[in-house]
Formats: sequence, C-alpha cells, structure tokens
Amino acid sequence: AQTVTQSQPEMSVQEAETVTLSCTYDTSESDYYLFWYKQPPSRQMILVIRQEAYKQQNATENRFSVNFQKAAKSFSLKISDSQLGDAAMYFCAYSRGGTASKLTFGTGTRLQVTL
Amino acid sequence: GAVVSQHPSWVICKSGTSVKIECRSLDFQATTMFWYRQFPKQSLMLMATSNEGSKATYEQGVEKDKFLINHASLTLSTLTVTSAHPEDSSFYICSAWDRGENTIYFGEGSWLTVV
Repeated sequence: AQTVTQSQPEMSVQEAETVTLSCTYDTSESDYYLFWYKQPPSRQMILVIRQEAYKQQNATENRFSVNFQKAAKSFSLKISDSQLGDAAMYFCAYSRGGTASKLTFGTGTRLQVTL
Repeated sequence: GAVVSQHPSWVICKSGTSVKIECRSLDFQATTMFWYRQFPKQSLMLMATSNEGSKATYEQGVEKDKFLINHASLTLSTLTVTSAHPEDSSFYICSAWDRGENTIYFGEGSWLTVV
C-alpha cells in the first residue's frame, strides 16, 4: 500500500521569506503522480502543484516549486516570497498513474505566515 | 479551471434521519468521483470511489449500508448518510476526475452536524 508522510505538523515563515515543506512517500509503482494541495480555513482544497513521476524536471508554479527526489521518494514544496495568503494547511498527496486513481494524503502541515 | 460544486455546504439533521449530499461537475463529465471525510485537524480519509453507472467501491472499514453512494449520471454523484448519528458529524468533501485534463478537482465540502 502507498503511504505519504509529512513529518512537520506546523511550520512558520516570515512574510517575503522562503519556506520548505517536507513530504516522503512509499510506493512500489513506477508510474504515479504527486501533488501538493492547500486547504485554507474555508476548507476548499486547492491544487498548488503537480509532479509526474516520469518527469525528471521539477515542477514550478510561480512562487511554488518542488524538489522531487525519486530515488529517495521525497517530494518537498518550496514557497518563495511567502505571503499572508499562503497561510493554510498543506497536504502532500499521491496517486497511481493511469486513469482516475484515488489520492492518498499525508497528515498535513499547518503553515503560519508572520509579519 | 474546472469546477466541482457540492451541496449543501452546511446541513444539520436529527439523529436517526438521512441526509443527502450532492457533488456535481459543472463543466466536464466525470466518470469517477471520490468521497472523502475529514475530521477536525486531520487529513482527508477516502471513503469510496464512485463510478458512473456501477456500484461504488468502498474503502476498508467504511459501512456501505450507512454511506450510500449513487453516481447516476456523468455529472452527479450523491452521498446519503442513512440513520445518521452524532458520530457521523464531520466534513465531507468530494472530488471528480476530469479526463480531459487528467486532473482531480475538489468540491467545496459539506459540513454535517447530527443533533
């Protein structure tokens, strides 16, 4: 079975600084996707970034980037130039490749952004 | 991006009654939808995978007779909590797989309170 581990229950960053959230996973599959979702107090799940396992290049989306280490099964999220609106729960998630596969979530990291 | 709508956002029901939550994909057809439950300060737990035109696939430990899932059309899946009890009070959130974009989108979630 696939597992996703987030070892940081809470993180704090000052506005305009950079923070990295950690995620490790375990799978025996070779084809899979990894995701970072943001959940603000509204509880809406917002896709932040997605990485296909077959791609060596790390995904980036504006201020968000990942460090995907396939051999180490590590998938960290870097948030640059942190903003107050980045404060939320962040969940790392895994899905098998192919079609319509379910998501397995980590336990989440609560990110606080301070002035 | 694509939109998934969930209704109602909030519902209060009496113990012993049933309550239905709807999940709609608004601008794409979703052959597969997923239902999650989230307890306070916890991660999302997959309850079941809803497949259009066939029976849902439930995760281990989820009572299929209590949490009825129907996916009668390509844009609608419903979760019915039958004979609700206070311990069923939770946040329920659905997601739908957009085949065209090969991406999963989440609904806004539904708060269920059983009194």
